[in-house]
Amino acid sequence: QVQLQESGPGLVKPSETLSLTCSVSGGSISSSSYFWGWVRQPPGKGLEFIGNVYYSGDTYYNPSLRSRLTISVDRSKNHFSLKLNSLTAADTAVYYCARLVVPLKAATFDYWGQGILVTVSS
Amino acid sequence: QSVLTQPPSVSAAPGQKVTISCSGSSSNIENSYVSWYQQVPGTAPKLLIYENIKRPSRIPDRFSGSKSGTSATLVITGLQTGDEADYYCGSWDTSLSAGLFGGGTKLTVL
Repeated sequence: QVQLQESGPGLVKPSETLSLTCSVSGGSISSSSYFWGWVRQPPGKGLEFIGNVYYSGDTYYNPSLRSRLTISVDRSKNHFSLKLNSLTAADTAVYYCARLVVPLKAATFDYWGQGILVTVSS
Repeated sequence: QSVLTQPPSVSAAPGQKVTISCSGSSSNIENSYVSWYQQVPGTAPKLLIYENIKRPSRIPDRFSGSKSGTSATLVITGLQTGDEADYYCGSWDTSLSAGLFGGGTKLTVL
């Protein structure tokens, strides 16, 4: 059974950079059958696709976040990471990592982490 | 405002049937697959339906999905109080090369 676990700060200051890591257990991040993605949910609102990464390093980003976003994979540590810069209060959300099944057109997130609440505030 | 449109809320009595719609366009639903997720507040989303009509083995057959053109539908039969949750559709947009979610539908079992 695949498990994903987010880690990172719960509070970040405006204009700073958010760094989150998702550790994967019970499966290899180097599998060709999956992408690895991030989804966020502002308090009381719906889900928003952030982006995803393949084991090769190929990435797909939400166009509205692309200029501030970097998602990367570390195969040696079996984890992947998110960096989002120039934070504002609008980036306050629960951030989930999830496994995305190939092909991308299937848009199937089959396993999710428990989520981590990130608050942007001074 | 989400690219995929869902009704904000639906409701029905226990034992009844409810349908939740998801409307998109030719760049997403029509030329990609649709997935559906159930989210109980305070918990992570759970996959209900993938590739338009398929169910993970742990999901009961009370949940079913369909797709036609630029729209998709989730049907839940034999409603139970435990089905109260938010439901989201998801798809891939081939023009944006990005994933999409609907705005979510809150299901109330009266």
